[in-house]
Amino acid sequence: RKEVEQDPGPFNVPEGATVAFNCTYSNSASQSFFWYRQDCRKEPKLLMSVYSSGNEDGRFTAQLNRASQYISLLIRDSKLSDSATYLCVVNWAGGYNKLIFGAGTRLAVHP
Amino acid sequence: DTAVSQTPKYLVTQMGNDKSIKCEQNLGHDTMYWYKQDSKKFLKIMFSYNNKELIINETVPNRFSPKSPDKAHLNLHINSLELGDSAVYFCASSLGTGGYEQYFGPGTRLTVT
Repeated sequence: RKEVEQDPGPFNVPEGATVAFNCTYSNSASQSFFWYRQDCRKEPKLLMSVYSSGNEDGRFTAQLNRASQYISLLIRDSKLSDSATYLCVVNWAGGYNKLIFGAGTRLAVHP
Repeated sequence: DTAVSQTPKYLVTQMGNDKSIKCEQNLGHDTMYWYKQDSKKFLKIMFSYNNKELIINETVPNRFSPKSPDKAHLNLHINSLELGDSAVYFCASSLGTGGYEQYFGPGTRLTVT
């Protein structure tokens, strides 16, 4: 099983749509979870951390299910500017914590 | 002010050459990283330094040698470049080693011909 798995997409959605991305991770001892966004030919940028109780930042909602080792990201009212690759990131607990990046889910929002 | 900066942004060189990439962060972070993102877009950690001490070395060929002169700087020297080294190299930093979020530099696109 891969350390962090994501559906690669692409997800092609119209503006205004709601879209959800899922991610699973293999290390049950992981404690930190993030969603990053990466635009074409740019660096990954932190979108939001994911907290145990779930959290929201404007149109973005992140959920964590520790029992199922599953993380999700919901984007409401999609904008053209949301088109990017979304990376699920989990810390690999053991020795020095390092972050493991999923391969990313590509989102394309069209008019 | 750029938080994490890298130079150069682009690097085109021939096989067998030696090259260096430099990284600086002005966030006051203790921990810095080098990542490689290949053509399949998979982002993989190579090295991490915490307060100038190497703490993560992820089975990278010893042609790659990181150096951290102080906690704000992390450089990457690559000897005897090979075609397979072509990739985008990202530097990142974080507050510490405890699974904190990381902040990335703009990347260095290395092409080996």
